[in-house]
Amino acid sequence: EAQVTQNPRYLITVTGKKLTVTCSQNMNHEYMSWYRQDPGLGLRQIYYSMNVEVTDKGDVPEGYKVSRKEKRNFPLILESPSPNQTSLYFCASSTGTGFYEQYFGPGTRLTVT
Amino acid sequence: EDQVTQSPEALRLQEGESSSLNCSYTVSGLRGLFWYRQDPGKGPEFLFTLYSAGEEKEKERLKATLTKKESFLHITAPKPEDSATYLCAVQESGGSYIPTFGRGTSLIVHP
Repeated sequence: EAQVTQNPRYLITVTGKKLTVTCSQNMNHEYMSWYRQDPGLGLRQIYYSMNVEVTDKGDVPEGYKVSRKEKRNFPLILESPSPNQTSLYFCASSTGTGFYEQYFGPGTRLTVT
Repeated sequence: EDQVTQSPEALRLQEGESSSLNCSYTVSGLRGLFWYRQDPGKGPEFLFTLYSAGEEKEKERLKATLTKKESFLHITAPKPEDSATYLCAVQESGGSYIPTFGRGTSLIVHP
């Protein structure tokens, strides 16, 4: 089954404790991205990657890091989480950056206390 | 000012009562406009991509149309299972690959 998986689905952590949210896709997609979704603000892109070892900032990259060492995986790293990073995070993949549909993962709900 | 504005924010319909959702955008050049459906607790699910004014696409009870300034998602004879949040996103032509999402329209269809 074609899918994007994220782990963990739920995470509660404390300020400053480094964490990684994993994302994996089994569709051989070149393009992957991370979004955060906050009430009243809609989906905002954090980082995207057009292929292995190629990443770029989205609209809200501050406080986040990503890496793309393999085509299927695109982890999101929060080196020192803060309460304003409490949000619902989605990973997505697609075959291209332009007119192509994005497949979204199920989401990771992160709470930073 | 938001580049993508969706209206209404929320819409309640009776089963079978057709209506339209609106997505207006202010980007100078449009590379593509996307419609997604999002169920509670799930990731968005792709519905349509529209590229140019005048284009229309259909899927079951949904029909998406595009003009130079806005897109409509028409829902014909909706059923309770059409209840979801509908998201619109645009990609601006000219180099950026970052899509801009609207805040969504929450649709509830009562049986």
